[in-house]
Amino acid sequence: DVKVTQSSRYLVKRTGEKVFLECVQDMDHENMFWYRQDPGLGLRLIYFSYDVKMKEKGDIPEGYSVSREKKERFSLILESASTNQTSMYLCASSPGTFSYEQYFGPGTRLTVT
Amino acid sequence: LAKTTQPISMDSYEGQEVNITCSHNNIATNDYITWYQQFPSQGPRFIIQGYKTKVTNEVASLFIPADRKSSTLSLPRVSLSDTAVYYCLVGGNTGNQFYFGTGTSLTVIP
Repeated sequence: DVKVTQSSRYLVKRTGEKVFLECVQDMDHENMFWYRQDPGLGLRLIYFSYDVKMKEKGDIPEGYSVSREKKERFSLILESASTNQTSMYLCASSPGTFSYEQYFGPGTRLTVT
Repeated sequence: LAKTTQPISMDSYEGQEVNITCSHNNIATNDYITWYQQFPSQGPRFIIQGYKTKVTNEVASLFIPADRKSSTLSLPRVSLSDTAVYYCLVGGNTGNQFYFGTGTSLTVIP
């Protein structure tokens, strides 16, 4: 089975802190994604990566950056966390050239106070 | 970017067939239609995908009319464990065209 793991299930940070969310997949997938999920807004794509060191902006990249130094790992970085970044963050991966079947991790619920 | 519109919520009794319709008027020629299911405190899970006409698997059926401007996910004989949020996703094979929408919250009633 494909496994996508995220470094934390729950995280509490203070405003202005630098926050790292880590995602690791074990199926050698080319593509990896970061979404955030908020009530009433569904899942929104922040960034995605289709290869090591490659990244593309999604719908809401402002306030976020990403890093993909190894194929299996995709990190989401909040340079200076703000309260409006309190959300559920979901990582996903998929094989091939934008396969439509994405495999999701369990999510990280981030609270910024 | 093809965006989708779904009903916010639906209720159904156990054992009934449930149909959830998704509108995607701006679907592009190379876009596929994919449905995901999400339980509380979990990430979404792939259910079914199609391009046109009808697709069926062990979990659901997907009906897509000729103009492809909408699609219907059909869940046969739902049970309480089908209570979840269902997302319709329209995406192509280029770029960041993965729009999940707000999903439909299905509640199955005993």
